Amino acid sequence: AQTVTQSQPEMSVQEAETVTLSCTYDTSENNYYLFWYKQPPSRQMILVIRQEAYKQQNATENRFSVNFQKAAKSFSLKISDSQLGDTAMYFCAFSVDSSYKLIFGSGTRLLVRP
Amino acid sequence: EAQVTQNPRYLITVTGKKLTVTCSQNMNHEYMSWYRQDPGLGLRQIYYSMNVEVTDKGDVPEGYKVSRKEKRNFPLILESPSPNQTSLYFCASSPRGDSLFYEQYFGPGTRLTVT
Repeated sequence: AQTVTQSQPEMSVQEAETVTLSCTYDTSENNYYLFWYKQPPSRQMILVIRQEAYKQQNATENRFSVNFQKAAKSFSLKISDSQLGDTAMYFCAFSVDSSYKLIFGSGTRLLVRP
Repeated sequence: EAQVTQNPRYLITVTGKKLTVTCSQNMNHEYMSWYRQDPGLGLRQIYYSMNVEVTDKGDVPEGYKVSRKEKRNFPLILESPSPNQTSLYFCASSPRGDSLFYEQYFGPGTRLTVT
C-alpha cells in the first residue's frame, strides 16, 4: 500500500526564521510526483510546491524549497523567512504516475509567532 | 474568474435522507475528484474522473456515488447518509486526465453534518 506520513502534527516558528516540515512516503513505484499543499484558516487548498521523482534537483518556489531524498523516500518542506501568512495546515501529497490517485498525509499545523 | 464551485457550503441533514453536493469548474479541465477531510487523517480520495463518462473509485468510496455526464460538473451523491459521513468535502479539478503532475484546483469545501 502507498502511504504518506507526516510525523509532526504541530509546529511553531518565530516570524522571519526558517522551519522544516517532514514528510515520508512509501511506494515501490519509480515514477511519481510529490506535492506540498497549504490550507490556511480559510480552508482553501493551495499548491505550494511540487517535485517529479525523476528530477534530482530540488524544487524551489520563492521562500519555499524541498529536500527530496528519493532513496530515503523523504520529501521535506523548508520555509525560509517565515511570515505570519504562512500560518496554516500543510499537507504532503503523493501520486504515482498513471494511477490518477492523490494520497495525502495527515497534515502538520504550522503556527508562525510574531 | 477560473474557479471550482461547490454547493452547498454547509449542510446539516439526518440519517438516510439522500443528498447531492454539486461541483462545477469553468476551466475545461479533464480531471475531477472528490476528497473528504477528517481530523488526523488528512484528505482521502473518494472518487475521481479522468474525463466525461469515466470515473473510478478512490480510497474511501463506500456510501458515495458520482457521475460525470458533462465535463464541467461532477456531483457527489450520498444515497443514504450516515453519521460517519460527517466531514469536510472538497472537489478538485486538474487540466489533464492522463497525469496528476498538474496542479489540482480545489473548491471552497462543503461542511456536511449527518445527525
